[in-house]
Amino acid sequence: KAGVTQTPRYLIKTRGQQVTLSCSPISGHRSVSWYQQTPGQGLQFLFEYFSETQRNKGNFPGRFSGRQFSNSRSEMNVSTLELGDSALYLCASSLGVASGLETQYFGPGTRLLVL
Amino acid sequence: KNEVEQSPQNLTAQEGEFITINCSYSVGISALHWLQQHPGGGIVSLFMLSSGKKKHGRLIATINIQEKHSSLHITASHPRDSAVYICAVTGNQFYFGTGTSLTVIP
Repeated sequence: KAGVTQTPRYLIKTRGQQVTLSCSPISGHRSVSWYQQTPGQGLQFLFEYFSETQRNKGNFPGRFSGRQFSNSRSEMNVSTLELGDSALYLCASSLGVASGLETQYFGPGTRLLVL
Repeated sequence: KNEVEQSPQNLTAQEGEFITINCSYSVGISALHWLQQHPGGGIVSLFMLSSGKKKHGRLIATINIQEKHSSLHITASHPRDSAVYICAVTGNQFYFGTGTSLTVIP
C-alpha cells in the first residue's frame, strides 16, 4: 500500500498570501488529521476530518481551515499568511473508526516558509 | 501550561545502554502515543497505549493511568535509534510533548 503523500513538499510564500496544502491518505483510511510543527511550539494539532466533516479542532485561528473530499483526500488552507506560519505541516491518516484510539500514519510533511 | 511533559529533553547514550524516556500528562486521555521522528521530519508511530505495557522488538512502552505517567524504554540501544521521541495524548484532541532528542554513540 502506498503511504500518506503530501504536496507540495516545499513552499515559499510572502506575508498576506494564502496557501493550500494537500494530503492523500492511505487507501481505505477515512480520517485525516493535520499538525503544525515549529521549533518553538513543537507539534500542535490543527484539526481532524472524517467522512468530509471536521471531527475535532485544535486552538488555531480561523485563518487555518481545511476540507476533506469524498475520496478522503484532504486540503488545508491558510489565509493571510504571517511570518509565524512558517512551519512543517504534517498530515496523518487512520482508519477513522475510533478517533484518537488508532495508530496514525504520517506523511513526509510540507515545509512552508513565509517571507 | 503544558498538558504533556517529557524528560529528559536531550539524552546521549553509548551503544548498548538501556534508555528510559518519561512522559507525564495532566489531562484526561483516551490513549497515549509514542512517536519517533528522524532528521528530515518523517514521523513514525511506535506505540499506542491505553493501559499496561507493550513491547516491540527492543522497545517497551508502559503506562500508569492512575499516576498519569508513561515510560518508553529502549534496550541495547543502537546508533540507528538516534531520533526525537515524542509523547502524545489523545482526549478531545491531540496534545504533544516537546520531545526527547536521543543520540546513541557507537
